[in-house]
Amino acid sequence: EAGVTQFPSHSVIEKGQTVTLRCDPISGHDNLYWYRRVMGKEIKFLLHFVKESKQDESGMPNNRFLAERTGGTYSTLKVQPAELEDSGVYFCASSQLRFTDTQYFGPGTRLTVL
Amino acid sequence: DQQVKQNSPSLSVQEGRISILNCDYTNSMFDYFLWYKKYPAEGPTFLISISSIKDKNEDGRFTVFLNKSAKHLSLHIVPSQPGDSAVYFCAATSNDYKLSFGAGTTVTVRA
Repeated sequence: EAGVTQFPSHSVIEKGQTVTLRCDPISGHDNLYWYRRVMGKEIKFLLHFVKESKQDESGMPNNRFLAERTGGTYSTLKVQPAELEDSGVYFCASSQLRFTDTQYFGPGTRLTVL
Repeated sequence: DQQVKQNSPSLSVQEGRISILNCDYTNSMFDYFLWYKKYPAEGPTFLISISSIKDKNEDGRFTVFLNKSAKHLSLHIVPSQPGDSAVYFCAATSNDYKLSFGAGTTVTVRA
């Protein structure tokens, strides 16, 4: 069974540009999450989808970040316009039904904003 | 506001000895706790978990202990092996699904 995949693995952009990150969850997982780790600190929650609906977006830093989940399958996270402080590693995770079900993480996208 | 704290950024242990990683939390609503392991350039992988109704959970070489009154949990790895060298994250959640992570502890197992 394929795990969570993320694309691209690395992205280097200039301040003010737009970047779109993609996540493909494990097939059949209704729950999809985005997290971010900045500068080797803690991994912070960004948002949670249940199928195509945003269940919780309390961790989204500001309105420069837009997440979508088309048809309840893959998800995209767009940053527009990117700022220097957006640099970090963005992880996607997916899980089955219950909050105690394991969240499986993808390898992450390392975003560098210059 | 960091609700999960790992106060030891690093730990060095000799192969075959015990590794003890500690974690403290502040949110009394947390009722499920997890440890994740992360290798460089990879995502975190689930290691072991414990529900707040228990005080110990064991899986092979890994044991997690929970002390609710102290809002403290620990991970014991016995015996430590070279492949255990990684960053270990403590995490906690309530029924809102989102995981709150600590900053991680880098474990180095010396031969």
